[in-house]
Amino acid sequence: DAGVTQSPTHLIKTRGQHVTLRCSPISGHKSVSWYQQVLGQGPQFIFQYYEKEERGRGNFPDRFSARQFPNYSSELNVNALLLGDSALYLCASSLLPSAGTYEQYFGPGTRLTVT
Amino acid sequence: SQQGEEDPQALSIQEGENATMNCSYKTSINNLQWYRQNSGRGLVHLILIRSNEREKHSGRLRVTLDTSKKSSSLLITASRAADTASYFCATEGDTGRRALTFGSGTRLQVQP
Repeated sequence: DAGVTQSPTHLIKTRGQHVTLRCSPISGHKSVSWYQQVLGQGPQFIFQYYEKEERGRGNFPDRFSARQFPNYSSELNVNALLLGDSALYLCASSLLPSAGTYEQYFGPGTRLTVT
Repeated sequence: SQQGEEDPQALSIQEGENATMNCSYKTSINNLQWYRQNSGRGLVHLILIRSNEREKHSGRLRVTLDTSKKSSSLLITASRAADTASYFCATEGDTGRRALTFGSGTRLQVQP
C-alpha cells in the first residue's frame, strides 16, 4: 500500500510569490494535517482537515490557507512568501479514531526555499 | 510554539550502548508519541503511549510516561548505527484541537 505522498519534493521561490503544495493521504484515511518544520526545530502544526472541513488551525498568518478535496487529498497554499517561510512542509494523514489512539502517518515532505 | 523540550539536544554513543532521551511537556494530554526523522525527511512513527499507561515496549524501544511530572523517556537498547536520527516527542492535548504538538528533538549519533 502506498504511504502518504507529497509533491513537489523541492521548490525554490522568490519573496512575494505564491506556492501550492500537494498531499495525498493513505487510502482510507480521511484526515490530513499540515506541519511546518524549520531547520533545527520540531514540526509546528498549521492545519487539520477532516471530511473536507477545517478542524484545527495553528498560529500561522492568513497568508497560509488549505483545502481538502472529495478524494481526501489536500493542498496547502502560501501567499506573499517571506524568507522565513523556508522550511520542510510535512503532510500527515490519519483515520482520526477516538481520542487516545490518534496516530499520524507522515509523508516525506516538501522542501521550500524562499530567496 | 513548542509544547515540550527534549533532553539532551544531542547524544553520541557507541554501537551496542543504550540511548535514553527525555521529553517534558506543559499541558494535559490524551497521549504522547515518539517519532524518528532521518536527515530532514519525513517522520516515522515509533510508539504511542496513552495518558493512562505508564510504560510501553516495542522491540528495542521502551517508553515511560509520568503524567504527574509531565515527562516521558524513550530508551533504545543495543543501539545500531542505523538508529542515527533525530527523535521527537509529540503530544495530543486532551481538549479541543486534535493536532500534535512536537518538542524540539534529540539528535542521536550512533558510532559504529
